[in-house]
Amino acid sequence: DAGVIQSPRHEVTEMGQEVTLRCKPISGHNSLFWYRQTMMRGLELLIYFNNNVPIDDSGMPEDRFSAKMPNASFSTLKIQPSEPRDSAVYFCASRPLQGPNTEAFFGQGTRLTVV
Amino acid sequence: QQQVKQSPQSLIVQKGGISIINCAYENTAFDYFPWYQQFPGKGPALLIAIRPDVSEKKEGRFTISFNKSAKQFSLHIMDSQPGDSATYFCAAGRGGADGLTFGKGTHLIIQP
Repeated sequence: DAGVIQSPRHEVTEMGQEVTLRCKPISGHNSLFWYRQTMMRGLELLIYFNNNVPIDDSGMPEDRFSAKMPNASFSTLKIQPSEPRDSAVYFCASRPLQGPNTEAFFGQGTRLTVV
Repeated sequence: QQQVKQSPQSLIVQKGGISIINCAYENTAFDYFPWYQQFPGKGPALLIAIRPDVSEKKEGRFTISFNKSAKQFSLHIMDSQPGDSATYFCAAGRGGADGLTFGKGTHLIIQP
């Protein structure tokens, strides 16, 4: 398996533009997580899905952020409009839902820069 | 999200020494405590994890010590090697299906 695949790896955009980050989880994993990493705040959980259903989006910072999981093999995190303070590395992670305390596998992340 | 506090923020250890990183949590509902290792440009990867029904878990040179009453847990890296230089995150999870709450990370440098 290729692991969790995120695209793009790097994104530079201008303030006010829409940004879409993409994630393909590991096949068979039915829990998917979006995290944001910054120097100041560390790794923050934004939202997670179980069986394609959003379970907890309390970590989403503002209404400008939205996430979808239309099927078991694809998820998007969208920021509209983007702002410089959204600059961060965004990680997607997946794991099997069945069984307690199973390992979450992270993708390589998308480094977002909003100028 | 419930907080997980991690210290120190950075740590320099001589090759062959013991690296110790500490974490404390607040939510007594947490029942899963993993440590993740992250190299520059990469995503975090699971290093070792423990559940609160045991006080210690060892895998090779890596040991987690867990103190349930104090709500603290720590990572010990024995015989630290330059290849261990990375950022280490402690985390805590609840119920098996929730997302993890991470500490802010420790930047570890092992000097040859």
